[in-house]
Parts: sequence; structure tokens; C-alpha cells
Amino acid sequence: AQSVTQLDSHVSVSEGTPVLLRCNYSSSYSPSLFWYVQHPNKGLQLLLKYTSAATLVKGINGFEAEFKKSETSFHLTKPSAHMSDAAEYFCVVTLDNFNKFYFGSGTKLNVKP
Amino acid sequence: GAGVSQSPSNKVTEKGKDVELRCDPISGHTALYWYRQSLGQGLEFLIYFQGNSAPDKSGLPSDRFSAERTGGSVSTLTIQRTQQEDSAVYLCASSPGAGYSNQPQHFGDGTRLSIL
Repeated sequence: AQSVTQLDSHVSVSEGTPVLLRCNYSSSYSPSLFWYVQHPNKGLQLLLKYTSAATLVKGINGFEAEFKKSETSFHLTKPSAHMSDAAEYFCVVTLDNFNKFYFGSGTKLNVKP
Repeated sequence: GAGVSQSPSNKVTEKGKDVELRCDPISGHTALYWYRQSLGQGLEFLIYFQGNSAPDKSGLPSDRFSAERTGGSVSTLTIQRTQQEDSAVYLCASSPGAGYSNQPQHFGDGTRLSIL
């Protein structure tokens, strides 16, 4: 069975400090992993994806994530938070060619001035 | 190129009425998905199309919900006899489809449905 767990429903950081949004997955197969961001009243925008090449994946807006198979994790990080990063973030896992996407429950990021 | 387009962006209707929500996927994408996002909730999977076929309808909450896709392109999600609990944002996504591994979904901005 496949599933995704986002360990924190809410994260609050100060502007300029690091961001860590945690995601663990379970999969019987080699997964593809994605992070999406959703700003208020908008659809989901792809931040980055892991496709079994490099384990450290760089995305847009300074975000990156590291795939750790031994820990079944795919945590999202950013060295320095910006006010515009305040949004909800979703971790997603899928299996190659199966076209089924499994979404985490989301983490709301608050950035304090 | 154009992204996923959903219409209407907002819909307000009275309880008991039928509504149709439209999704126009990215050209060439054979896979299309519908999700529901209720206030403060995550994404709830509704249905998945590969071409015009729906191999997975497991998420449709009741027989009041139906969806179709024609010409392998535009999809319509229909909710009959709407109830207040149907109020939510309905999101559509498309992806290249079977045979294209590691390809993400691309989302529209959603239809915000409010049932009075």
C-alpha cells in the first residue's frame, strides 16, 4: 500500500529563518515524489519533483528536498523564509506508470515578520 | 502554453439544484483528475480519467456525483440535487498519462462551489 504522512499540520517561522516541512511515505515500489504549494484561492503549483536521479532536488523559489530511502522521507527545506512563502504545502507520491497520486494532508506555513 | 482551465471560477446555487463544472486540460494530456477540497481540509480524490475512460471512480461520494470526458479532452463533473455539504473547491488536474513515468499533475485554479 502507498501513503503519505505530513508530520506537521502547521509550521510557523520568522522571516529569514530556515523552513523545514516534513514528509514521510510508504511505498512497496520505487516512488516518484513531488511537493506542491497552494496559495489562497489558487490551485496547486509544482515546487519540485524527485524522479530517481539525484537525491537532492532543487525546486522553484529556493526550495529543495532530499530523498532519503532509508528513512522513507522527502522533507522540504528552504534556507531563508520569505513572507510570500506563507501558503499550504502538499507532499505527493506516485508510482511510475500507475497514474495514481497520493496526497498528504498538507502543512500550512506561516511566516512572521 | 495554456494550463488547465476550469469554469466557472465561482458558482453559487440553491440546495437541490444541479450544477456542472468544466475542466479543460492541457493539450495532449491523456490523464485527468478531479479532486474536492473542503474548507480547511486536504485534497479528496474523486475520479480519474485515462482518455475517455474512468478506471477509478472510487472517490465519488454518492450517486449524485458523475463525470464524463469526451474526445479525450474536456471533462464535466455534474452534481445533482446539491446539498450544503457539497460546498467546496473542486480542483481539476491533468498529466501526460500512462506511459509517461515521473510526470507531475498540473492543476487548474478550481471552481469554488457554494450551496445556499
